[in-house]
Amino acid sequence: DTEVTQTPKHLVMGMTNKKSLKCEQHMGHRAMYWYKQKAKKPPELMFVYSYEKLSINESVPSRFSPECPNSSLLNLHLHALQPEDSALYLCASSQLQSEAFFGQGTRLTVV
Amino acid sequence: AQSVAQPEDQVNVAEGNPLTVKCTYSVSGNPYLFWYVQYPNRGLQFLLKYITGDNLVKGSYGFEAEFNKSQTSFHLKKPSALVSDSALYFCAVRDRTGFQKLVFGTGTRLLVSP
Repeated sequence: DTEVTQTPKHLVMGMTNKKSLKCEQHMGHRAMYWYKQKAKKPPELMFVYSYEKLSINESVPSRFSPECPNSSLLNLHLHALQPEDSALYLCASSQLQSEAFFGQGTRLTVV
Repeated sequence: AQSVAQPEDQVNVAEGNPLTVKCTYSVSGNPYLFWYVQYPNRGLQFLLKYITGDNLVKGSYGFEAEFNKSQTSFHLKKPSALVSDSALYFCAVRDRTGFQKLVFGTGTRLLVSP
């Protein structure tokens, strides 16, 4: 099973809302990632968790708050987002140095 | 810091012809290199990787890539293109020190015409 599952697939939220994106993998991978992708652009790394600890934060604004409750789950908590935060949010997992497997993404629209 | 360049925004090829999508990289030391494909409104699908060993790497759907250390390149190839290969292709790299960062190139749109 090489599946990374992301929910929800689509999300529309107002600028004062709080919402969460969820990601799950059961491949035993010890690294999990959040990427942001704008249309026709490459994925941009946001966060990396390694062994359930935050190891990389690419200077992401604090309105994005990641959480790794256990080795299979990764959340991204959203609060007070701006319209420019509208994008496809991709979760991925990997063994530490190997290829990453991506979920289908959450299409986020901030209104 | 590692980086990847994909010099072509778009590659056009006729069905049945060979295709090449170019990628060059910059890392300190030896790289881990990857190719991914993305269809509209979908996540990224892993195609193939180079970690070590044979410079010619074979992957999914008939794709292959050649690692060239002297030219710091990792071009994606396929002997005979299909219309269904039309998609966005990304090259990506990790370096062996900051391996947790998987960094992507800007992407190349492949358009295969019937």
